[in-house]
Amino acid sequence: EVQLVESGGGLVKPGESLTLSCVASGFTFSNTWMTWVRQAPGKGLEWVALIRTKTDNKTPDYAAPVKGRFTISRDDSQNTIYLQMSSLKTEDTAVYYCLTPLRWELSSDHWGQGTLVTVSS
Amino acid sequence: DIQMTQSPSTLSASVGDRVTITCRASQNINNWLAWYQQKPGKAPELLIYKASSLEGGVPSRFSGSGSGTEFTLTISSLQPDDFATYYCQQYGSFWTFGQGTKVEIK
Repeated sequence: EVQLVESGGGLVKPGESLTLSCVASGFTFSNTWMTWVRQAPGKGLEWVALIRTKTDNKTPDYAAPVKGRFTISRDDSQNTIYLQMSSLKTEDTAVYYCLTPLRWELSSDHWGQGTLVTVSS
Repeated sequence: DIQMTQSPSTLSASVGDRVTITCRASQNINNWLAWYQQKPGKAPELLIYKASSLEGGVPSRFSGSGSGTEFTLTISSLQPDDFATYYCQQYGSFWTFGQGTKVEIK
């Protein structure tokens, strides 16, 4: 069974940093692209970041609102991805989900339960 | 960037009603379109992928259609468990979600 467990959320002040983690199990992690998607309170879903596999040079990509402030990475030895968030803004307040994304060659995806990040003074 | 426009934002319906939600892409995404259901406090769950393919375990009252830039999700006979928020998502180029449609009890 695929499991994705996020951690690291919490309350931080604007301008501060926070790092989220997501531990994966139940699938071949090292062969799987991984993403973060967020959802602000009462709002819709927004893709945040992508980390490709070692085969694809672990190349990252970011949504425009977080580019230059967030860094996604992966440790295949620990089946874990990270999201380092810096210069946090109030508009970054959201539940952050880790997931194996839907792709052209795939017919399913898997989501974690989410971790809440609150940016407030 | 590909934008997704979903309508309506809210839909009031009764059990047994046929419900249709529409999603429009800002450019051609072929059939790289998915539909999700989300209930309060939970992660979204995949219902439909590749515009019209039903995810395993999803009831057959859910169906999807469309290609290119226009897509629809239809629930043929709304059940009590279906009151939730629905999102479309394109995965032709990265991932973009529609704004969501809340299906509420009439």
